Amino acid sequence: GESVGLHLPTLSVQEGDNSIINCAYSNSASDYFIWYKQESGKGPQFIIDIRSNMDKRQGQRVTVLLNKTVKHLSLQIAATQPGDSAVYFCAENARSNDYKLSFGAGTTVTVRA
Amino acid sequence: NAGVMQNPRHLVRRRGQEARLRCSPMKGHSHVYWYRQLPEEGLKFMVYLQKENIIDESGMPKERFSAEFPKEGPSILRIQQVVRGDSAAYFCASSPPGEPQHFGDGTRLSIL
Repeated sequence: GESVGLHLPTLSVQEGDNSIINCAYSNSASDYFIWYKQESGKGPQFIIDIRSNMDKRQGQRVTVLLNKTVKHLSLQIAATQPGDSAVYFCAENARSNDYKLSFGAGTTVTVRA
Repeated sequence: NAGVMQNPRHLVRRRGQEARLRCSPMKGHSHVYWYRQLPEEGLKFMVYLQKENIIDESGMPKERFSAEFPKEGPSILRIQQVVRGDSAAYFCASSPPGEPQHFGDGTRLSIL
């Protein structure tokens, strides 16, 4: 069945270091992936997305890597800042039902000053 | 541009009462989605609506829950005869067709 999961529930990172958040998925039909950031008391905030015809996409300080062979997705945050502290979710869906996002459980990132 | 607006932000109900959660999508967005989030879990899809149409409600409990997106006004998620297990954060998202979903800040529902 479908599932999207995170490898680690928490991540502690020193300010200024790079962060890597991992995500595994099991649905081979998934072809669209999104990373969201959720701060306490707020809704998920779109960070970056990637389609299955790509293996890497870069944004401002963030990079998403997609490895379809092992069904693995990662989010890299460069020069992590205190404002990056949040819960990060990967979400996926398939072109056949492109409205139904499936979310993983989330990774809590804590940035140490 | 205003984002997705949800109200109320917090809602307290006693068991057996009705809860109404409202969502105004971003301007120009014709697709609305509702998700539920339990503490320390990811969001779970509930329902997908377009104006005056329910497209997919496969994530909605079969009883007590309903959703609508009328021609005029916000989308409404309605929970009748609430029970303790309905306590959760309910998030609404909206998007244009084929674009990423953007979320509101949710309604935290507490059942006494």
